[in-house]
Amino acid sequence: DIQMTQSPSSLSASVGDRVTITCRASHSISSYLNWYQQKPGKAPKVLIYAASSLQSGVPSRFSGSGYGTDFTLTITSLQPEDFATYYCQQSYTTLWTFGQGTKVEIK
Amino acid sequence: EVQLVESGGGLVQPGGSLRLSCAASQFTLSDYWMHWVRQTPGKGLVWVSRINGDGTVRTYADSVKGRFTISRDNAKNTLYLQMNSLRAEDTAFYYCARESHQLLSGLSYNYFDPWGQGTLVTVSS
Repeated sequence: DIQMTQSPSSLSASVGDRVTITCRASHSISSYLNWYQQKPGKAPKVLIYAASSLQSGVPSRFSGSGYGTDFTLTITSLQPEDFATYYCQQSYTTLWTFGQGTKVEIK
Repeated sequence: EVQLVESGGGLVQPGGSLRLSCAASQFTLSDYWMHWVRQTPGKGLVWVSRINGDGTVRTYADSVKGRFTISRDNAKNTLYLQMNSLRAEDTAFYYCARESHQLLSGLSYNYFDPWGQGTLVTVSS
């Protein structure tokens, strides 16, 4: 199985901050990398697919980049509704795997 | 609105069985691969199982292989997960999710969208 490792596991930030979350795959996954946002008590919601493509309806302050084994999710100006947990997920192999999550908390 | 609604969760004793259902609305279930994903309270997401559109291809995580069975009834627009020989470590929220895809430069990129709201399975004596 491909292991996905996110960093940091949590971070504190203020409204308006630029936030960057990284995700590393144990083997190359080309661009088969997705990012999800999960709020407490809710199901995850896709933000980015194919490493850098913004899902319809997702605000443009979210962006993704990377290829191969190293990927990044960036939120350019953190909004109150962005405080949540973010997960990366690879769809390169048949057995899809997730990162352990990054919790973004209010500073 | 495209929607998935799970049901069937609850409290079950170790060694017991439970069947989860996932009702789809506003899309044709048979057109899509479908998945089950679970999440231990306070922990991360783990993929459990997938099934193709006509139910002929099924894949399982090693942790549930031989105990869980994924199935679908396309006429009823419903996905199922039969869970047998349940263990304490199977305690989790279980989500069904549709495998959606986008074509970019001739390649298909797949992701989960949408997800159901989740149903809690608790295995305890």
